[in-house]
Amino acid sequence: ETGVTQSPTHLIKTRGQQVTLRCSSQSGHNTVSWYQQALGQGPQFIFQYYREEENGRGNFPPRFSGLQFPNYSSELNVNALELDDSALYLCASSRDRATGELFFGEGSRLTVL
Amino acid sequence: GDSVTQMEGPVTLSEEAFLTINCTYTATGYPSLFWYVQYPGEGLQLLLKATKADDKGSNKGFEATYRKETTSFHLEKGSVQVSDSAVYFCALSERTGRRALTFGSGTRLQVQP
Repeated sequence: ETGVTQSPTHLIKTRGQQVTLRCSSQSGHNTVSWYQQALGQGPQFIFQYYREEENGRGNFPPRFSGLQFPNYSSELNVNALELDDSALYLCASSRDRATGELFFGEGSRLTVL
Repeated sequence: GDSVTQMEGPVTLSEEAFLTINCTYTATGYPSLFWYVQYPGEGLQLLLKATKADDKGSNKGFEATYRKETTSFHLEKGSVQVSDSAVYFCALSERTGRRALTFGSGTRLQVQP
């Protein structure tokens, strides 16, 4: 059984640029959630996708957007990057949208200069 | 809104010592409670969960009991090992509406031989 995989693992961008992060969900999982984890903090919910539709959103501005594809993989897009966007971005998949039992990838570490 | 408060770390213990990591929560509804663990270089993993009052979650020698009257979910282990060194996150998920996880800020545990 393949776990959750994320790419890239590390990337550096400059303020104002755009970034796309990718996630492959675990086999059999139809729900993907994205979290932002700042250094020394707990993860914060960005949004969740269920069967290709956004199914809930945290307190993040519209420049954070996402997609889920028919194979349940997902992308997180962030436009107009700000310095405070520097963080570890975690993708998690689950068997359905109503569970807190999430399977996390190792994350994509974004540095904004 | 919902929130989770954990004891500050790092917690440094000798091997075979008793571990307690305190966690309290604030929630508008009747949440499910979780402990996740992040080992060095790995993604977050579910350690244990409890879905109703007085439930005890357990895994790998760790235990936590859902205490509704004190809104707590403290993590305990009778005898820690060096391999338990990691960051531990307490989290909650509401049963209705958005099912996102709300995490505490994490507690780093260092176990010395």
